[in-house]
Amino acid sequence: SYELTQPPSVSVSPGQTASITCSGDKLGDKYACWYQQRPGQSPVLVIYQHTKRPSGIPERFSGSNSGNTATLTISGTQAMDEADYYCQAWDSSTAYVVFGGGTKLTVL
Amino acid sequence: EVQLLESGGGLVQPGGSLRLSCAASGFTFTSYAMSWVRQAPGKGLEWVSSLSSSGYSTYYADSVKGRFTISRDNSKNTLYLEMHSLRAEDTAIYYCARKTLDYSNYDYWGQGILVTVSS
Repeated sequence: SYELTQPPSVSVSPGQTASITCSGDKLGDKYACWYQQRPGQSPVLVIYQHTKRPSGIPERFSGSNSGNTATLTISGTQAMDEADYYCQAWDSSTAYVVFGGGTKLTVL
Repeated sequence: EVQLLESGGGLVQPGGSLRLSCAASGFTFTSYAMSWVRQAPGKGLEWVSSLSSSGYSTYYADSVKGRFTISRDNSKNTLYLEMHSLRAEDTAIYYCARKTLDYSNYDYWGQGILVTVSS
């Protein structure tokens, strides 16, 4: 079965840039997206189709893709960005949805 | 405003059954595929099942195949998840989520409903 791999945790100082990676076989061929989940809340889509940002999501959130790895970058990280982040891909051949294991972003 | 409101969760004994509902509003329900995604306590997100906009095509994670059934009533703008032969490992918050029109991700999520499987 298809798997997505994320680092369990990433730490960043306020105002600095945080990068969270997501690796999967031929991930570049699938539309990767990213969700932010704050404690006790539902996930929120922050990046879709590798690089696009939904309306209402701050410009400091960006996404990129290179081969087997998708990256979520948060520039000028703020305390409010502290959350769990999940990547997700959709296998169009099976219609199965796969989530990465999640990355806890700590802003300290 | 798009809203997804889950209901039907609760405590159930191992081997028991439960039906979750997700009432949708604020968008044309018949145009969108829908899914259930769950999250065990302290764990990550796990896709459970998806259903096409028409209701004719269904998809299930291996962990629930044969035990769970996803369905929809487009006349009531409601998504369902029938869960049978429940196990302790099915304990989770269950989210209803709307698929984007290209099917690749979820743009709206419900607030989630807790299902606890325990004796």
